[in-house]
Amino acid sequence: KNEVEQSPQNLTAQEGEFITINCSYSVGISALHWLQQHPGGGIVSLFMLSSGKKKHGRLIATINIQEKHSSLHITASHPRDSAVYICAVRFPQETSGSRLTFGEGTQLTVNP
Amino acid sequence: DTEVTQTPKHLVMGMTNKKSLKCEQHMGHRAMYWYKQKAKKPPELMFVYSYEKLSINESVPSRFSPECPNSSLLNLHLHALQPEDSALYLCASSQDAAGWYNEQFFGPGTRLTVL
Repeated sequence: KNEVEQSPQNLTAQEGEFITINCSYSVGISALHWLQQHPGGGIVSLFMLSSGKKKHGRLIATINIQEKHSSLHITASHPRDSAVYICAVRFPQETSGSRLTFGEGTQLTVNP
Repeated sequence: DTEVTQTPKHLVMGMTNKKSLKCEQHMGHRAMYWYKQKAKKPPELMFVYSYEKLSINESVPSRFSPECPNSSLLNLHLHALQPEDSALYLCASSQDAAGWYNEQFFGPGTRLTVL
């Protein structure tokens, strides 16, 4: 069964802290997405990666294909980073590249 | 323009009403998606249109009827909904539906409440 697991489910941090959110998946994938969703809002795509590491501002995403694991890091966290972060993957067994399997999300709260 | 827009932002409807949700993108994307998201849950795929043709229907009840009048527009027609259909409805688009590395761009969603 194709599964995606995220941890932690909830994370509270103080402003300025370094944050890590983890995503593990059960079988090899074609691509992995990190998404951000603010309360009551739409979803913003942060990264899409299939290998290595990507950086955008204070956000860094890494993926280890052998270990079937990805991490999203936020450096110098800020209250505006408070949101739900969702990992979503494409499994190559899927007949359509459009089908994403989502993790349950990580609720991040950054306190000032 | 790298935006997916959705209207309305909020919709309240009775179980006998007929309403429509609209989604628009001008990125030249040829795949468009409808997702349903309940509170504190990840999105669930409902429909995928590829080149204006319905390519995936995730066994969605017929009270939800999608329509893709052209490559930029996607509608979701609602009729005789149930209170459990209350959710955030998200639209997304991508360059096409077949490519494994196509990024999906999401709209802000329509918050639907069925009374």
